Amino acid sequence: EAGVTQFPSHSVIEKGQTVTLRCDPISGHDNLYWYRRVMGKEIKFLLHFVKESKQDESGMPNNRFLAERTGGTYSTLKVQPAELEDSGVYFCASSQRYPLLDEKLFFGSGTQLSVL
Amino acid sequence: GENVEQHPSTLSVQEGDSAVIKCTYSDSASNYFPWYKQELGKRPQLIIDIRSNVGEKKDQRIAVTLNKTAKHFSLHITETQPEDSAVYFCAASMGGNNRLAFGKGNQVVVIP
Repeated sequence: EAGVTQFPSHSVIEKGQTVTLRCDPISGHDNLYWYRRVMGKEIKFLLHFVKESKQDESGMPNNRFLAERTGGTYSTLKVQPAELEDSGVYFCASSQRYPLLDEKLFFGSGTQLSVL
Repeated sequence: GENVEQHPSTLSVQEGDSAVIKCTYSDSASNYFPWYKQELGKRPQLIIDIRSNVGEKKDQRIAVTLNKTAKHFSLHITETQPEDSAVYFCAASMGGNNRLAFGKGNQVVVIP
């Protein structure tokens, strides 16, 4: 079974540019999460999709971040325009159902975003 | 608020010794506590988890203990091996168990 895949693995952009990250969850997983880890800090929740709907986007830092999951399959996270503080590792994770009490969360390898 | 504290931030142990990582959480409604291991350059992987209806769970050399009253839980690794070297993240369920809040991670270094 293929795991959660993320693309690209690394992205280096200049401040003010736009970057789009992609996540393909495990097939059949309705729940898709985006997390971010800034160096040395916690893995911080950004948002949660259930199929194509945003269940919880309370962790999104500001309106420069836009997440979509059209069709309830893969998801994209766009940062426009990127700022220096957006640098970090962006993780995607998926689970088959929720709540998490009954499910395990599987992570992708992350996208290392560097904004210069 | 969502707050998971994890300490120590770095832990070095001699091969064969035990390692213990402790986490505290703030949300008394949390009832699912997984631990993830992230090896260098790899994805975080679930290694063990515990639910609030039990106080301890073991899986070979790894164990997790939970004290709901005190709101803390710990990861215990016995007979450490070099391949145990990694960053370990604790997490607690939040928001009605719909998401996880993570700690900052603990770098464990096993010295051969």
